Amino acid sequence: EPEVTQTPSHQVTQMGQEVILRCVPISNHLYFYWYRQILGQKVEFLVSFYNNEISEKSEIFDDQFSVERPDGSNFTLKIRSTKLEDSAMYFCASSERGGSSTEAFFGQGTRLTVV
Amino acid sequence: QKEVEQDPGPLSVPEGAIVSLNCTYSNSAFQYFMWYRQYSRKGPELLMYTYSSGNKEDGRFTAQVDKSSKYISLFIRDSQPSDSATYLCAMSAGGNNRKLIWGLGTSLAVNP
Repeated sequence: EPEVTQTPSHQVTQMGQEVILRCVPISNHLYFYWYRQILGQKVEFLVSFYNNEISEKSEIFDDQFSVERPDGSNFTLKIRSTKLEDSAMYFCASSERGGSSTEAFFGQGTRLTVV
Repeated sequence: QKEVEQDPGPLSVPEGAIVSLNCTYSNSAFQYFMWYRQYSRKGPELLMYTYSSGNKEDGRFTAQVDKSSKYISLFIRDSQPSDSATYLCAMSAGGNNRKLIWGLGTSLAVNP
C-alpha cells in the first residue's frame, strides 16, 4: 500500500542551527502539507503546497520556514534558525485531490528536538 | 470558543464494548470531517472521511455528522485491544481552504 515516507525519524539539533526535514509523498498525489504537533497539544497546520508553490500557510509558518519540492519525489521543510519552541513532531501529508485536503495521508513523522 | 473541542479522556472500556467518541465545533463553514487514529509517537492514520451531514459506516466504525448541532461522532462496535490509541477528529471548510483543523484527541484504552 502506498505511503508517505519521512526522514529522519528523529533529529536533534542545537538552537540556531538549520534543519531540513524530508518527505516522499505518495506518488500520484498532487497536494502536499506540513503539520506539526507539540507534545500534548493539537496537531497544527503549517503549510500546503500545490503546483510548485505554497497555496496556504499559517501564522506559524514565518520567514524561518520554507518548503521545496526539489525533484519529482521529495518534499522538504527547512527551518533556518531553530528555536527551542520548534521542538515537535513534524508530519508530512499528501492528498490526491485538493479542494479541502480531504483524505490526507500522513507520514510517521519526524521528531525534532532543539537543545 | 475553540474551533474544535474534543474531550481528551482517557476513556477505558472492556473488550467488546461500543465506544462513542465525539467532537464539537464552532465554524459553520466546515464541510469535510475526518477521524484519524494515532498510536503513540506515530503519524495520524485516516479512519473515516465524511462530507457534510449524515452517516458513514466502514466495518466496525460508524461516523456521524450533525451540522445543525455542529457535532460529530465516531462509534466503534465490538471494540478490540488493538483499537487502543488516540482518536483525533479533523475538519476543513474545503474550497480554497484546505487546512485541517484538529481536535486534541481522545485517548482510548480497550481492556482484554
